[in-house]
Amino acid sequence: KAGVTQTPRYLIKTRGQQVTLSCSPISGHRSVSWYQQTPGQGLQFLFEYFSETQRNKGNFPGRFSGRQFSNSRSEMNVSTLELGDSALYLCASSPERTGNEKLFFGSGTQLSVL
Amino acid sequence: AQSVTQLGSHVSVSEGALVLLRCNYSSSVPPYLFWYVQYPNQGLQLLLKYTSAATLVKGINGFEAEFKKSETSFHLTKPSAHMSDAAEYFCAVTTRGRALTFGSGTRLQVQP
Repeated sequence: KAGVTQTPRYLIKTRGQQVTLSCSPISGHRSVSWYQQTPGQGLQFLFEYFSETQRNKGNFPGRFSGRQFSNSRSEMNVSTLELGDSALYLCASSPERTGNEKLFFGSGTQLSVL
Repeated sequence: AQSVTQLGSHVSVSEGALVLLRCNYSSSVPPYLFWYVQYPNQGLQLLLKYTSAATLVKGINGFEAEFKKSETSFHLTKPSAHMSDAAEYFCAVTTRGRALTFGSGTRLQVQP
């Protein structure tokens, strides 16, 4: 079974641009969560999608948005990029809603904002 | 509210020595607790989880953790460190229906 796939692996953008990151969960998994990882702030929860609906949302500004498609694939969008958005963005999937479920993580997308 | 504190951002041990990584949690309701490991340039991988069954939880690669409610702790241990254990370790807490809250991580270095 293929693992969680995130594309692209690396991305370089400039301030003010927007970016879309993609995540394909493990086959059969219906929940997809996104996390931002930075050296200063650690791992911070962005949002969780389950059956195409956002179920949980972290404390990030509205510039961060996401969606989930009927095949459970998910995209995350960041508009009007700021230098502080430079981070590793991790996607994780699980069969059901998060809680006591084990999360399966992708290798992440490393975003650099110049 | 839920939170996790990992004591020590860096821990260094000799190969063959005991590994002890500390985690304390805060939760207003009974928590689920996890330890994840992250190797360089990779995502996180689950080591073990506590979900209110046995308080001593055994995980992969010889790691185990003990849930101590009185101390609000969930420390991770391994009797004998191996070079391949060098990585960053994250403790995480959640309650039903909520997203995981991660600690700040502990980087484990294993000296030959």
